Amino acid sequence: GQQVMQIPQYQHVQEGEDFTTYCNSSTTLSNIQWYKQRPGGHPVFLIQLVKSGEVKKQKRLTFQFGEAKKNSSLHITATQTTDVGTYFCAGPGSNYQLIWGAGTKLIIKP
Amino acid sequence: ETGVTQSPTHLIKTRGQQVTLRCSSQSGHNTVSWYQQALGQGPQFIFQYYREEENGRGNFPPRFSGLQFPNYSSELNVNALELDDSALYLCASSIKSSGANVLTFGAGSRLTVL
Repeated sequence: GQQVMQIPQYQHVQEGEDFTTYCNSSTTLSNIQWYKQRPGGHPVFLIQLVKSGEVKKQKRLTFQFGEAKKNSSLHITATQTTDVGTYFCAGPGSNYQLIWGAGTKLIIKP
Repeated sequence: ETGVTQSPTHLIKTRGQQVTLRCSSQSGHNTVSWYQQALGQGPQFIFQYYREEENGRGNFPPRFSGLQFPNYSSELNVNALELDDSALYLCASSIKSSGANVLTFGAGSRLTVL
């Protein structure tokens, strides 16, 4: 069945370093969404990408959608403690569902 | 504008029991989806309700069932609970007409099955 793979599973960074998570779908996606889940919280929508090759920025966050619409990335510049959490990508599947990656957990080293 | 609210926030059940989880959707949203999130994993789609009917279902057995009411609120019922049903159950509302299916999640109900 359709799968969305996300790597890495964890990323430990010093505050101020950059962070990147990558998402790959087994099928071409009509769109891809990104969510953030803080520890103990629930997923919160960040952004949706629709067009091939699309790049969108939200302050220090840069989101890209691949030309083939099968991969995506999220890059955070100069991480801050408020960025801590798990970042998920999700793409539409059959039966109106979103297929989610396993998430990348951003951990700031003390 | 009120967000998505879920109840209860935490509950403990034993194997074989039944549980009902409740969700009030965000104002203006007409679609409710339920997801199961095990610890350290991404959410897994259970089903979606629109116009009081189930119109999409993930790979979950029939003992997972649901309802949507005229005010768009929803219930998730799980019968014959198993230990593996222990998880965070997330309700998400959306606007079906948007086509984008962007989800607004509630805080979740954390179910522990002993």
